[in-house]
Amino acid sequence: DTAVSQTPKYLVTQMGNDKSIKCEQNLGHDTMYWYKQDSKKFLKIMFSYNNKELIINETVPNRFSPKSPDKAHLNLHINSLELGDSAVYFCASSQDQTGSGEQYFGPGTRLTVT
Amino acid sequence: SQQGEEDPQALSIQEGENATMNCSYKTSINNLQWYRQNSGRGLVHLILIRSNEREKHSGRLRVTLDTSKKSSSLLITASRAADTASYFCATDRNDMRFGAGTRLTVKP
Repeated sequence: DTAVSQTPKYLVTQMGNDKSIKCEQNLGHDTMYWYKQDSKKFLKIMFSYNNKELIINETVPNRFSPKSPDKAHLNLHINSLELGDSAVYFCASSQDQTGSGEQYFGPGTRLTVT
Repeated sequence: SQQGEEDPQALSIQEGENATMNCSYKTSINNLQWYRQNSGRGLVHLILIRSNEREKHSGRLRVTLDTSKKSSSLLITASRAADTASYFCATDRNDMRFGAGTRLTVKP
């Protein structure tokens, strides 16, 4: 059984488009996260959600908006895509609500903006 | 930010040798975690060491933590080709921060 899944795995799109990446976890965890990994492999947290409540909102552009229909899902919607948005985006979840516990990562979505 | 910084950026060894990676951070932490990332995959949790612990073992992994120096090390003993991956440390206080990782290559 897949613990944290993301779709799509690859996403190629043009500048200016709007796209969404979906994430689901079947671990019963309370907290979910979105990370961005750039070409230098640096992993940066973007958002986390705990029981439908945003508890971290890093200084990311407001073109990025997380949406959580329930605690098993945290989708990432991106408006007006830019070249600099090209990266691998990872979803993760954890049982711990403080962000200190072990996190389980999805396989990643490689976004390429042309 | 309590972001961890791994050192070296890249490490290449022969199978059977030990691999040591280091992590430094800047502020006080609750705990420090090490993760592995295989190429094209998500991160996998390896081990967590709490701020009041100095050493922890898990199989061929040995992690040390020196809070006075704000540093940690990950030792992989008797390395295997399958250990080839990037290794990240992550530190936290209120949220978790990752470094850019050490890319380990184990040659068969």
